[in-house]
Amino acid sequence: QKEVEQDPGPLSVPEGAIVSLNCTYSNSAFQYFMWYRQYSRKGPELLMYTYSSGNKEDGRFTAQVDKSSKYISLFIRDSQPSDSATYLCAIPSVNFNKFYFGSGTKLNVKP
Amino acid sequence: DAGVIQSPRHEVTEMGQEVTLRCKPISGHNSLFWYRQTMMRGLELLIYFNNNVPIDDSGMPEDRFSAKMPNASFSTLKIQPSEPRDSAVYFCASSGQGANSPLHFGNGTRLTVT
Repeated sequence: QKEVEQDPGPLSVPEGAIVSLNCTYSNSAFQYFMWYRQYSRKGPELLMYTYSSGNKEDGRFTAQVDKSSKYISLFIRDSQPSDSATYLCAIPSVNFNKFYFGSGTKLNVKP
Repeated sequence: DAGVIQSPRHEVTEMGQEVTLRCKPISGHNSLFWYRQTMMRGLELLIYFNNNVPIDDSGMPEDRFSAKMPNASFSTLKIQPSEPRDSAVYFCASSGQGANSPLHFGNGTRLTVT
């Protein structure tokens, strides 16, 4: 079983839609959870970084962690064409010497 | 903050040739990671350095791959000899000294081996 599994997509939505991106993980010891955004021909950039369970909001983005289900989500409200990118969930090992990445979900927001 | 700097951005080479990819991590970061990204396999960790010392190279696919970090501001990933199946985007990432520091990626080197 892989440490992190991500819904592969791709996902195509109209501008203004609410987007939900999801990952599951296998190790209940994981404490920190990250979302990276990767534009075409660029490196992944850190978008959201959360600790333990609960929600974290940053503008139109909300990261949600449900440790009981080992399930993490990223919600994008009022999606914009500029949100079109690949989104990767990432979970560091307990000592941060490994980062487990999901396979990425490619999102296309149509104007 | 200049971010993680990788060179070259693109490399096209013929099978059998030596390829060297370069990385300058963010100043003050003490951990450096090399990743390879393909459509089929996503992001794969190749090797991880901490304080310039290789800690985990279990992801290096074959002896044809080698990586060095001679000082805190420079690392190389070498492939010799290169093969078409090495074609991918290679990313370098660094993280800081603080506990629980996230990864910061460069913009990658797109390698094509013909």
